[in-house]
This record gives sequence, C-alpha cells and structure tokens, in this order.
Amino acid sequence: GAVVSQHPSWVICKSGTSVKIECRSLDFQATTMFWYRQFPKQSLMLMATSNEGSKATYEQGVEKDKFLINHASLTLSTLTVTSAHPEDSSFYICSARQGAETQYFGPGTRLLVL
Amino acid sequence: DQQVKQNSPSLSVQEGRISILNCDYTNSMFDYFLWYKKYPAEGPTFLISISSIKDKNEDGRFTVFLNKSAKHLSLHIVPSQPGDSAVYFCAGTSGSARQLTFGSGTQLTVLP
Repeated sequence: GAVVSQHPSWVICKSGTSVKIECRSLDFQATTMFWYRQFPKQSLMLMATSNEGSKATYEQGVEKDKFLINHASLTLSTLTVTSAHPEDSSFYICSARQGAETQYFGPGTRLLVL
Repeated sequence: DQQVKQNSPSLSVQEGRISILNCDYTNSMFDYFLWYKKYPAEGPTFLISISSIKDKNEDGRFTVFLNKSAKHLSLHIVPSQPGDSAVYFCAGTSGSARQLTFGSGTQLTVLP
C-alpha cells in the first residue's frame, strides 16, 4: 500500500507553545489529506480535511485558529497546534487519499503538553 | 448520532479458526466501506474495502461482506493468526470529500 509518514512521532512541550506536525505522502500525490485525533480507547475523530492549495475544512467543534492546517504541496500537509494546553494532549493521525476512495494513514504523533 | 457502529468491543478467537468482525451503519448515503487494522500508538493500516454496488470482496485471508438492505457489513479472517490481534475499525464514506466515518473499533485477540 501507499506510504504516509508523520513527523515528529512524539513531542513534549510546555503549555502555551506551538507545535507543528508534518504529514507526507511518500510515494504518491495527494490532493486531499485528513487530520484525525484519537483519545485513549476511542475511535478516530476527524478534525479537518486539508485540500492542496485551498483552505482546510474543519469539523464542527474544531477551532480553526487553534489547529492551523497548511497543505502547501501535493505531498505535504502540516498541522500546527497553537498555544497548546494540556487538554490538547492526544494522538494525532493524518491520512492521505490515494485515488478516489482509499485513505492511507501515517503512524501518528503523540503530543503531550505539560 | 453514531453513523457507524461496532457493537462488539472485543472478540477472542483460537488460532486457525475464523474471526468475524461486524459493523452496522445508519447512513444510507455511504457508498464505500473500508476496514482498517490498528495497533496501539500507530496509525491504522488499510486492509480491504468494498463498494456499495458489491456484496463481497476477497483478498487473501480477508473477506468483506456487505448486506445493504440490513446496513450491515462484516470482515472475515480465515485462518486467524496471532499476528492478527489488533483493533479493527470499519469506516464508511460518501460525498465529494470522501471523508471517513469510523466505528468505535473491535479488539481482536487471536489465541495461540
């Protein structure tokens, strides 16, 4: 299957700082990428849909000014958690859609905000 | 409103036997379904998918069945192997954005 990478795989930061997570499709171009968040023992919750060259579409309840998404190229989308707080601690996962249907997921980024 | 439901949070199966993971959905607009496997602290791995115009799709040990009238799909793994132990998510998709709506997952444990 297609390969999607995420960087960093884990990050610890102080409250109030900003953290950037990168998502790359390594062997295909993705006009659409998605950002998810997973809390312990829960399913993946879609945060936003990232479209190359245009603004991201955020799901209801997700603050677009807090979770900044940039999809600058067909192989890279970034999620920046601005002014992170402990409640933002979570497992963030991106996916990239190849073709019409199948999304391939990155390995995830564990964020811990102290 | 949970559009995709996996009512069994866990399932244990003996090695070599069949594992059957079930998924129900309520959104009749879903036109494509996917199954993913996930280990802790990792991203989901795509397993198999099925279009709503089909009722069965097979890939090696994995077979997905779709019953549109019942809004039900299932994933069969045969024979089950200990390495199959993971959380399995089903997901439905529709619309132009093709966003995935996930179920809550089923933890499969294959006992040696």
